[in-house]
Amino acid sequence: GNSVTQMEGPVTLSEEAFLTINCTYTATGYPSLFWYVQYPGEGLQLLLKATKADDKGSNKGFEATYRKETTSFHLEKGSVQVSDSAVYFCALSIYGGSQGNLIFGKGTKLSVKP
Amino acid sequence: NAGVTQTPKFQVLKTGQSMTLQCAQDMNHEYMSWYRQDPGMGLRLIHYSVGAGITDQGEVPNGYNVSRSTTEDFPLRLLSAAPSQTSVYFCASSPGLAGIREQYFGPGTRLTVT
Repeated sequence: GNSVTQMEGPVTLSEEAFLTINCTYTATGYPSLFWYVQYPGEGLQLLLKATKADDKGSNKGFEATYRKETTSFHLEKGSVQVSDSAVYFCALSIYGGSQGNLIFGKGTKLSVKP
Repeated sequence: NAGVTQTPKFQVLKTGQSMTLQCAQDMNHEYMSWYRQDPGMGLRLIHYSVGAGITDQGEVPNGYNVSRSTTEDFPLRLLSAAPSQTSVYFCASSPGLAGIREQYFGPGTRLTVT
């Protein structure tokens, strides 16, 4: 079946540190891949996405590259800020399967200290 | 622009009670869905709809009913609440296939069943 595995948290970093949150997937077709972010007390927001192999999604200094050979979509940011503290979800969908419903990883909580 | 709205924000129910969680969107999106978020489980799809009059089950539909009589509204009904339904519930909408296009999430309803 289709699934997403992301690194367990919580992750605690100091401001300006480098961030990597690992995400790997299993999919029966050709998925689109997403990172969503959930700030405290809010719903999820799309952070970035990639729809085919070797695509790089980027937004707000975050990047992730769709690696088909390693079935991965790791999230990176060069210099985190306190305002990046949130829960990050990796997700996939298969075009045409269940109308493209999203399948989420369990989430990784990031805390950034000043 | 209100986006996706959910009511109530918080709710406490006794076992066996019924209630309806409301969800509305003003973006004329065809696709709407309900998720539940539990600690360590990520988000799991309960039900979804690809347009007015069309609904289908997601990963965890038992104990929940939905209907979609208009494009704007997608209520979630708990028929007989159980403690296992204690969770945070998110409604989301998308202009097209959920995975290919961005999903917009509401702020969530925190439900406690005692």
